[in-house]
Amino acid sequence: EAGVVQSPRYKIIEKKQPVAFWCNPISGHNTLYWYLQNLGQGPELLIRYENEEAVDDSQLPKDRFSAERLKGVDSTLKIQPAELGDSAVYLCASSINYGNTGELFFGEGSRLTVL
Amino acid sequence: TQLLEQSPQFLSIQEGENLTVYCNSSSVFSSLQWYRQEPGEGPVLLVTVVTGGEVKKLKRLTFQFGDARKDSSLHITAAQPGDTGLYLCAGGRAAGNKLTFGGGTRVLVKP
Repeated sequence: EAGVVQSPRYKIIEKKQPVAFWCNPISGHNTLYWYLQNLGQGPELLIRYENEEAVDDSQLPKDRFSAERLKGVDSTLKIQPAELGDSAVYLCASSINYGNTGELFFGEGSRLTVL
Repeated sequence: TQLLEQSPQFLSIQEGENLTVYCNSSSVFSSLQWYRQEPGEGPVLLVTVVTGGEVKKLKRLTFQFGDARKDSSLHITAAQPGDTGLYLCAGGRAAGNKLTFGGGTRVLVKP
C-alpha cells in the first residue's frame, strides 16, 4: 500500500513569490495534518482536517497561508507571499481517525528554501 | 514554548554504548508516542504508551511512561549506527485534542 505522498520534495523560491505543496494521504485515512518542521526541531501543527473540514487551524498564519481539502482526499497548502522565515520542511501526515493514541503516518516532506 | 521538553538536544555515542532520552512536561498527557525521524524522511512511530508507569520494550529499545503521566523516557541498549536519527516524543491530552510534539533529541551513533 502506498504511503503518504507529497510533492514537490524540494522548492527554492525568492521571497514574495507564491508556493504550493500537495499531499495525497493513505487511502481510507480521513484525518489529514499539515506540520511545519524547522531544522532539528519537532513538527508544529499548522492545520488538521477531518474529511474536508478544517477542525483545527489555530496555528495557521492566515494572512499568508491557506489550505484546502476539497473532496476530503488530497490537500494543498499554499503560501503567498513567501517570507524568508518560511524556509522549513512542510510535512503532511494522515491517520485513520482522530484520537490521541492513533498512529500518524508522515510523508517525506517538502523542503522549502526562500531566498 | 514547547509543552514537551526533550533532553538532551543532541547525543553522540559510540556503537555498543547505552543511551537514554527524556521527555518532560508540567502537563498530564493521556498518551505519549515516540517517533524516530531519519534525514530526509518523515517521522515513523516507534511506540504508544497510555498507562502511568507503563513500560514497553521493542528489541533494544525500552520506553517508560511516568507514573503521573507527565514524563517519559526512551532507553537504547547497545546502540547501533542504525539507531541514528531524531527522536521525537508526542503527547495527547484528551480525545479530540491535538498531538503536541517535543523539540526532539538528535542521536548519532558512531561505528
